[in-house]
Amino acid sequence: LAKTTQPISMDSYEGQEVNITCSHNNIATNDYITWYQQFPSQGPRFIIQGYKTKVTNEVASLFIPADRKSSTLSLPRVSLSDTAVYYCLVGGYSGNTPLVFGKGTRLSVIA
Amino acid sequence: GAVVSQHPSRVICKSGTSVKIECRSLDFQATTMFWYRQFPKKSLMLMATSNEGSKATYEQGVEKDKFLINHASLTLSTLTVTSAHPEDSSFYICSAPRQGAHTGELFFGEGSRLTVL
Repeated sequence: LAKTTQPISMDSYEGQEVNITCSHNNIATNDYITWYQQFPSQGPRFIIQGYKTKVTNEVASLFIPADRKSSTLSLPRVSLSDTAVYYCLVGGYSGNTPLVFGKGTRLSVIA
Repeated sequence: GAVVSQHPSRVICKSGTSVKIECRSLDFQATTMFWYRQFPKKSLMLMATSNEGSKATYEQGVEKDKFLINHASLTLSTLTVTSAHPEDSSFYICSAPRQGAHTGELFFGEGSRLTVL
């Protein structure tokens, strides 16, 4: 399973765009990149998933360069409720392979 | 959307007793479920993979006799912490992939916080 590296923490003011970059140098050809959000005392929640280039949904965008050795989660115009831990995970497409969590990035949004 | 539910959300028990945590997939069948534990301000640590109809697969360092996992049906997996001790106090989270989904998304339960006195 590919190991991921993320910044331990980030701070942002409300209304700003936040970009969290994750390194996964050993990503395999069939691996997808998935980002999860976790609030205290709750299970993680799926944010976005991608394989290459750019993926966008209603809450975030995911940018993946051609070599796929990194990815960037972009949160537009964050609010206080976006304060959480964000995990970047790399794993197989089928979902039957357990995901191994790295340390995640603790995002603090300040008013 | 798919939902995974855990019960109980919080449990306090005395040292030496056993505690059972249930994980249910509410609107889909899950032949595989994953159990994680999480200590305060730490990341999730994979404990075991629960397989319907067969034995669970435990990660290295996880005591299978202490953390009993039973995947009784396609919608239910249980984790029993046997002879619990204070060091077993943690946040336990289950997850399940949705079979047939076009992504490898895992759905996570709400988590169960175990406190052993």
